[in-house]
Formats: sequence, C-alpha cells, structure tokens
Amino acid sequence: DSGVTQTPKHLITATGQRVTLRCSPRSGDLSVYWYQQSLDQGLQFLIQYYNGEERAKGNILERFSAQQFPDLHSELNLSSLELGDSALYFCASSVGQISPLHFGNGTRLTVT
Amino acid sequence: GIQVEQSPPDLILQEGANSTLRCNFSDSVNNLQWFHQNPWGQLINLFYIPSGTKQNGRLSATTVATERYSLLYISSSQTTDSGVYFCAVEGRQGGSEKLVFGKGTKLTVNP
Repeated sequence: DSGVTQTPKHLITATGQRVTLRCSPRSGDLSVYWYQQSLDQGLQFLIQYYNGEERAKGNILERFSAQQFPDLHSELNLSSLELGDSALYFCASSVGQISPLHFGNGTRLTVT
Repeated sequence: GIQVEQSPPDLILQEGANSTLRCNFSDSVNNLQWFHQNPWGQLINLFYIPSGTKQNGRLSATTVATERYSLLYISSSQTTDSGVYFCAVEGRQGGSEKLVFGKGTKLTVNP
C-alpha cells in the first residue's frame, strides 16, 4: 500500500458530463501530481501542486482543472467529457519537489 | 522536452532467468525513477536513482548520468515480476514537464 488514496476506483459517465476525482496524499507529502494513462499516449503528466500552489503544468486540457486544498488533498475536475478522455487517472505524491513518487491505485474513467 | 527511450519493448523470460532493462534519455537529469506496473495496474516505485547504483533484493539499478542511460537488473526472475517497467526522468533544465515516462518494457515471466 503506497499510502496514496484515490476515489472513486471506477467511474462511468456520458459524454458532456463533468466528474471530480479525489486524491489524498501520503501523510507528510506536500507535492501532489496528476497523471493520465491511456493506451495510445502512455503516462502523461497533467499537473503538480506543492503545498497548495500550482507548481508545474503539463499536457492538461483546458476542460480539466485541479486544486490542492489546505489539508493537502487534491481534486481533478474533468468537464465536457469526450470519449477520448477515457483513461486511467493516477495521483501521486512526494515529500518535496524532487523525491520518490508514490502512486495511488488510480481511477478508471470510462466515457460512453 | 526531454526524451526517454526504453528497451526492449517486450521481454519474455522463464522463471529463474536474469534480465537487463535499459533507459536512455536525451538530456541531463536531476531525477530518475524506475516503476513497476503490475497486471492489476498498480504503479510501484522501485528506485529513485538520478546517479549511481542501488540494490533492493533481486533488483538493482545503475544510472550513468554522464552517458545518459540507466539500467534495471532483475535476477532470478519470478512470475510476480511480470508487468510493465517504466523509467521516468526530469531534466535539469526544469520547465513545465515533471517526471516524463518512457513507453515501458513489458516483462512476462513464465513458470
């Protein structure tokens, strides 16, 4: 068990809808990262937060947004969902900016 | 941005065999990690190794930063080693990309 908790495990929704994925980092970790894993694109970095502030942005669509709350948990919001957004979404956490990353078990999103 | 290439893409072994997985990267790095994604999709951190050599049981890893490659060694492989092994790097140049993942090596260990 990595100590990173992601909910829900599975999510099935329709095109055009909006969903929220939630992540609780390991105790003591200040950095939270979001990654998307799809068959054709592999593991893609979306966004990173450190102690509540956005630190780095990757290939995150404008329809997607995230935030990290004062208790350090994070949420990834996906809106106007398209079929191509179906993927496994991972949250990871680390103590600092450059330190071992620990992943949650992921949320499998299916858009129908 | 930094490029990561892993080889081989696929590897099939008999239980007990040894293997070496390679990760080449295109620029100087200050962060390199190896991960194992098991058949259930879980991503497990194996090593944080921007340089030097580390060992953990039957697994060891070496990163030669000056030559821009890292190797993951698996000895006496077991069926539970099956899955996909990813190398991920972050370049010294920083920028918007955090850990960039390679496409992985899919390992199948047969009994």
